[in-house]
Amino acid sequence: EPEVTQTPSHQVTQMGQEVILRCVPISNHLYFYWYRQILGQKVEFLVSFYNNEISEKSEIFDDQFSVERPDGSNFTLKIRSTKLEDSAMYFCASRNSNQPQHFGDGTRLSIL
Amino acid sequence: GQNIDQPTEMTATEGAIVQINCTYQTSGFNGLFWYQQHAGEAPTFLSYNVLDGLEEKGRFSSFLSRSKGYSYLLLKELQMKDSASYLCAARNSGNTPLVFGKGTRLSVIA
Repeated sequence: EPEVTQTPSHQVTQMGQEVILRCVPISNHLYFYWYRQILGQKVEFLVSFYNNEISEKSEIFDDQFSVERPDGSNFTLKIRSTKLEDSAMYFCASRNSNQPQHFGDGTRLSIL
Repeated sequence: GQNIDQPTEMTATEGAIVQINCTYQTSGFNGLFWYQQHAGEAPTFLSYNVLDGLEEKGRFSSFLSRSKGYSYLLLKELQMKDSASYLCAARNSGNTPLVFGKGTRLSVIA
């Protein structure tokens, strides 16, 4: 069964550094999402992406965050200058029309 | 505003049946989803309701009442591997993201 794949599985970064999280959505999916989950808390929406542009973003997704689809397969989340509170699991998800979202295994981001 | 409420924790016995409730208040409605999440892993899709009634999928069933803003997930013949968090999530419209509840941590005991 096709899967959403995310790399790296764990990223440790110094506060203030830039980090890029990578995702390869399922190949025929059209809608892409990033969510985050702080340890012990609920899954929170960050941003959705469709037709090569952001379709919706949450309050969390401020100017420090950006997303790109640099080629036909990858979907990246960049955090420009990381803060301690950015430590969380970051999940990428994708779906097709009228289908549920499928999640990747996540990247655990630890900011020191 | 949007709000999803579900119990924080539940415990049930192996072989038994458990019902996990979820109430939601959203500005629109286009579906109620249930995901399973084992500790440290990704949410895995279980079921989806957009119309009132019961959807059955093997040992898992999900029910929706739109007028009451209420759903439940029913797990039958519980197995130890069902110990996980169960996330209730609602969608406002066809292309909007999911709004998740805090999840219900289910412990299955022998």
